[in-house]
Amino acid sequence: DAGITQSPRHKVTETGTPVTLRCHQTENHRYMYWYRQDPGHGLRLIHYSYGVKDTDKGEVSDGYSVSRSKTEDFLLTLESATSSQTSVYFCAISLRTGTNEKLFFGSGTQLSVL
Amino acid sequence: DQQVKQNSPSLSVQEGRISILNCDYTNSMFDYFLWYKKYPAEGPTFLISISSIKDKNEDGRFTVFLNKSAKHLSLHIVPSQPGDSAVYFCAAEGAGGTSYGKLTFGQGTILTVHP
Repeated sequence: DAGITQSPRHKVTETGTPVTLRCHQTENHRYMYWYRQDPGHGLRLIHYSYGVKDTDKGEVSDGYSVSRSKTEDFLLTLESATSSQTSVYFCAISLRTGTNEKLFFGSGTQLSVL
Repeated sequence: DQQVKQNSPSLSVQEGRISILNCDYTNSMFDYFLWYKKYPAEGPTFLISISSIKDKNEDGRFTVFLNKSAKHLSLHIVPSQPGDSAVYFCAAEGAGGTSYGKLTFGQGTILTVHP
C-alpha cells in the first residue's frame, strides 16, 4: 500500500459545511495526488503536489483546495460541500524506477453530501 | 470530452479462457499507458504499463498491447481466474515532466470470471 493512509474512510456531511480529507504517507514520497471516482467517469485528478507548499490544480479542481505543509500530509478541503461532491476520493503517491512510473493509491474516502 | 474510453462497461468470461479488455484514446500526446485493477472498497492497484515506444509488454498472465496508429490498447489475461473479477481501468499520461503522475482514466470495465 506504499504506506498511504486516508482518513476518514467514510463521512456523511450536509450541504454547505466544510470538509477536510487527510492523506498521510510514511515513506517520504515527494509526489502526491488527489483523485475522485464517479460512475461513468473513472478517476479524475483534483489537485496534485510535487513537494511541500508546491501544489497545483488538476482537471476537476473547482470547489476544492489543498495544502501540503509537511511531506507526509496532503489535505483536501471542500470549503462548502455540495451534493455534486458526493464521491469516493483517492489519494495517491507516484514512484518512478528508471523509465517506469506507477501511482499507488490509498483505500479511499467515501464522502456523502446530503 | 472523454480522452480515454473503455466502451465495454462489463465483460463476462469463463475460468481458464482469455479475457480481453479494450481501451481507446484520442489525445496523440499520451505516451505512457497503464492498467489498474480495483476491488470494491479498495483503492486501484497497478497491474501493468506500456510506453509508447513499445507495442507489447508482458507480465505473467497479463499482456498489454498498444496500437499507436489506431490509438488503441488492450489488456489480455490468460488464463482468467475467478480472483481476476474486478473493475479494470486503463489510464494514460502525457509526455514530459509536467505530466508526471497526472493520469487520464477510462470509465472502467467490470470483469467477471465464472468458475
